[in-house]
Amino acid sequence: DAGVTQSPTHLIKTRGQQVTLRCSPKSGHDTVSWYQQALGQGPQFIFQYYEEEERQRGNFPDRFSGHQFPNYSSELNVNALLLGDSALYLCASSLALAGLTDTQYFGPGTRLTVL
Amino acid sequence: AQSVSQHNHHVILSEAASLELGCNYSYGGTVNLFWYVQYPGQHLQLLLKYFSGDPLVKGIKGFEAEFIKSKFSFNLRKPSVQWSDTAEYFCAGGSEGDDKIIFGKGTRLHILP
Repeated sequence: DAGVTQSPTHLIKTRGQQVTLRCSPKSGHDTVSWYQQALGQGPQFIFQYYEEEERQRGNFPDRFSGHQFPNYSSELNVNALLLGDSALYLCASSLALAGLTDTQYFGPGTRLTVL
Repeated sequence: AQSVSQHNHHVILSEAASLELGCNYSYGGTVNLFWYVQYPGQHLQLLLKYFSGDPLVKGIKGFEAEFIKSKFSFNLRKPSVQWSDTAEYFCAGGSEGDDKIIFGKGTRLHILP
């Protein structure tokens, strides 16, 4: 039973560039949430996707966008990168029907460094 | 505004000592609370969760937490820690009907052998 997978593991970009991060949810899960974890901080909720639509969004600018595909996998896109976007980006999957009471399973994360 | 705060950023204990990590939340309405753990080099994983019922929740690896509504607290406890408990611990919360989970800043726990 495959868990949550993310790619790439590490990424280095320069300011102003654009980046795409990818996530495959745990088998059987239909909901994907994205989090940003800056150094020394807890994960911060970016947004959540269900049925290929953004269902909830945290306090992040429009430079952060996403997509969910029919197979439930998801992408996180960040445009016009800033130095402050350097962080570990985590993907978590869950089952929508179970709601918040269901466990969110986290992937290993993508470490993004913006120079 | 909804928030979760953890009191201790860094805790150092000797093996067999008792552990209590503090967590306070600020939420209106029905709240769901979680403790996650991240062992070195591993993914975030759920230790335990509370959403209703018995306020004393038991999780994996001998951990437990108590939901005290009057104190807005959800402290994590373990009677006797082991070296393998060295990890970062995150308290998190969400409102009923809201799938957004808010995390605290985490507590780094270091157990001396």
